[in-house]
Amino acid sequence: ETVLTQSPGTLSLFPGERATLSCRASQTVTNNYVAWYQQKPGQAPTLLIYGASSRATGIPDRFSGSGSGADFTLTISRLEPEDSAVYYCQQYGSSPMYIFGQGTKLQI
Amino acid sequence: QVHLVQSGAEVKKPGASVKVSCKASGSTFTGYYMSWVRQAPGQRFEWMGLINPSGGSRTHAQKFQGRVSVTRDTSTGTVYLELSSLRSEDTAVYYCAGGSPTFDSPFEIWGQGTLVTVSS
Repeated sequence: ETVLTQSPGTLSLFPGERATLSCRASQTVTNNYVAWYQQKPGQAPTLLIYGASSRATGIPDRFSGSGSGADFTLTISRLEPEDSAVYYCQQYGSSPMYIFGQGTKLQI
Repeated sequence: QVHLVQSGAEVKKPGASVKVSCKASGSTFTGYYMSWVRQAPGQRFEWMGLINPSGGSRTHAQKFQGRVSVTRDTSTGTVYLELSSLRSEDTAVYYCAGGSPTFDSPFEIWGQGTLVTVSS
């Protein structure tokens, strides 16, 4: 079973800066089926990116995804205070169907 | 826009069963493949099971073999999770989540979460 490892565990940045979050899979991800979610305290996650690099509906272009194979990155440019959250990567379409990383906490 | 509303928090004793509901409002969610995912304190999200739009096909994670049942009432737009033989390790927030158009789509929609506490 694939394991997703996210780094760093916590990231502290200032408004206007750029955040780079990493997600590494223990095996190659088929079809680059990697998604990224944002979760704020007390809320359910929100889908940001799917297919490694496609933005979900309504997501600002400050959020971008890249990568292939086993290494994937979520980049958030021009950080805003509201971007403070925990970010999770997810592999989908595998067995078991969905696997999540342990999360990166972003503090602005 | 589909909005998912889950049932309220539950407290159960070890060995008991729990049934959590997830009802859709707003736009139809008939095209969504619905999953249940849980997040235990300090743990990763863990996918439990999935049901197709018609409710006629389901799959679940091997870890929950024999303990989990995911059902769907298409007439009321409600999906259910039933977990039996509860133990303390099942204490978690349980979420319904849906994706389309295929069974392996990422989760576009989420319920608000239901806290299930297992304690003697």
